Amino acid sequence: QQQVKQSPQSLIVQKGGISIINCAYENTAFDYFPWYQQFPGKGPALLIAIRPDVSEKKEGRFTISFNKSAKQFSLHIMDSQPGDSATYFCAASLASGGSYIPTFGRGTSLIVHP
Amino acid sequence: DAGITQSPRYKITETGRQVTLMCHQTWSHSYMFWYRQDLGHGLRLIYYSAAADITDKGEVPDGYVVSRSKTENFPLTLESATRSQTSVYFCASTPPDRGRTEAFFGQGTRLTVV
Repeated sequence: QQQVKQSPQSLIVQKGGISIINCAYENTAFDYFPWYQQFPGKGPALLIAIRPDVSEKKEGRFTISFNKSAKQFSLHIMDSQPGDSATYFCAASLASGGSYIPTFGRGTSLIVHP
Repeated sequence: DAGITQSPRYKITETGRQVTLMCHQTWSHSYMFWYRQDLGHGLRLIYYSAAADITDKGEVPDGYVVSRSKTENFPLTLESATRSQTSVYFCASTPPDRGRTEAFFGQGTRLTVV
């Protein structure tokens, strides 16, 4: 059973447009929701994260919107740039023994055309 | 250099052979993870370790063995490689502090089983 569902699988956006990636989760015990960005040939790296007591978090052009009642969260990339072309993973984590074990969505391949 | 290092970066092996993927981190993070990345499946957790000599199964552990005799090393062994284990493998670690929840990934090992 897929615990974190991510959509779309791929996304093509024009430069300057808004990229939106959505995720949904089932386990209400999840208490940390990060997004990771991965460039070809590299490992994923943390982009931005949110905790369930906050409905929105913004860092530069990247915003996470969180809807606890719907068990959904999304990543918005404003003014998308070609350099944003990458694979994006949402994740949800359970606190365990003092650390977090992330469960990942299947990823979204974003292409931003110049 | 500080960080998390995987070796080898690329490996081709034959069906039925044993192969070990290495992971070394210099931060003394307590938690370490092994993920495999496949198109359409995202990142799936194979095994994780909370500390030296403590390991546990993830979502897809069959056919894999791990050990952790030292905090800094977390090798992943495929006891008898199969073609379905062709994948990109990522090692990751997280610090023990709940206030620091970022997972740090290595560069990955691309394994091809022929």
